Amino acid sequence: DVHLVESGGGLVQPGGSLRLSCAASGFMFSSYELNWVRQAPGKGLEWVSYISSSGNTIYYADSVKGRFTISRDNAKNSLYLQMNSLRAEDSAVYYCAREWLGFLDIWGQGTMVTVSS
Amino acid sequence: DIQMTQSPSPLSASVGDRVTITCRASQSISTYLNWYQHKPGKAPKLLIYAASSLQSGVPSRFSGSGSGTHFTLAISSLQPEDFATYYCQQYYSSPSKTFGQGTKLEIK
Repeated sequence: DVHLVESGGGLVQPGGSLRLSCAASGFMFSSYELNWVRQAPGKGLEWVSYISSSGNTIYYADSVKGRFTISRDNAKNSLYLQMNSLRAEDSAVYYCAREWLGFLDIWGQGTMVTVSS
Repeated sequence: DIQMTQSPSPLSASVGDRVTITCRASQSISTYLNWYQHKPGKAPKLLIYAASSLQSGVPSRFSGSGSGTHFTLAISSLQPEDFATYYCQQYYSSPSKTFGQGTKLEIK
C-alpha cells in the first residue's frame, strides 16, 4: 500500500520554529514531486510548497516565502518542512501530498500545528 | 495569480439527488483542473483530474467537465458517504497551485 505519514506538529509560540516530517512508503519516492498543503481551522485547503523529485526545483506560496523551507531526503524516503518565524495564521493541519502530472493523488492524514502564546 | 471561485457554498441536497458544483477560474486554465473530496479528520481524496478524467477507484457517479474558465463537478445520485467538502484546484500555473474555497455538501 502507498502511504504518507506526517509528524512533528504541536504547539509553538509566535516567532518560534517547528520542523514537520513526512514519511513515505509503498512507492518509488525519488520519482515523485511532493507538496505541502494546509488547512487552517474553519478554512479551506491552501497550497504551501512544492519540491521536484530531485529537490532541485522548489516553490512557495507568498504567505510562507522566506519563512518556510521545504526539503527531501530520497535515501530516507522523507519530506520535510522547516517552519520559522511562525505566526498565529500559520496554525493549521499540514498535509504532505504526492504529485503526478499536476494532480495530488496521495495525501497523508495531516499533522496539526498550533501557534499560540 | 490565478483565483478559483466555487459555487454554491454550502449546498444542501438529499440522498439520490443529482448535484452540480461549479468552479470558475480568473483566467483561462485550459483543462488544468482537479477536484478533491475532503471529510473532517481524513486525508483529501482526488476524484477528477485534468477536468474530466475519473481517478482510479472513484465511483462513476462522479463526473467532471469544462475548460477555459468554467468547470463543473457532478454527482449523479448522491450517496450518504458523499456528504463532504469539495475543492477544485488549478495547476495551469504549476508547480504553484490554487484551490477554490470549497463547497460543503450538506444533507437537506
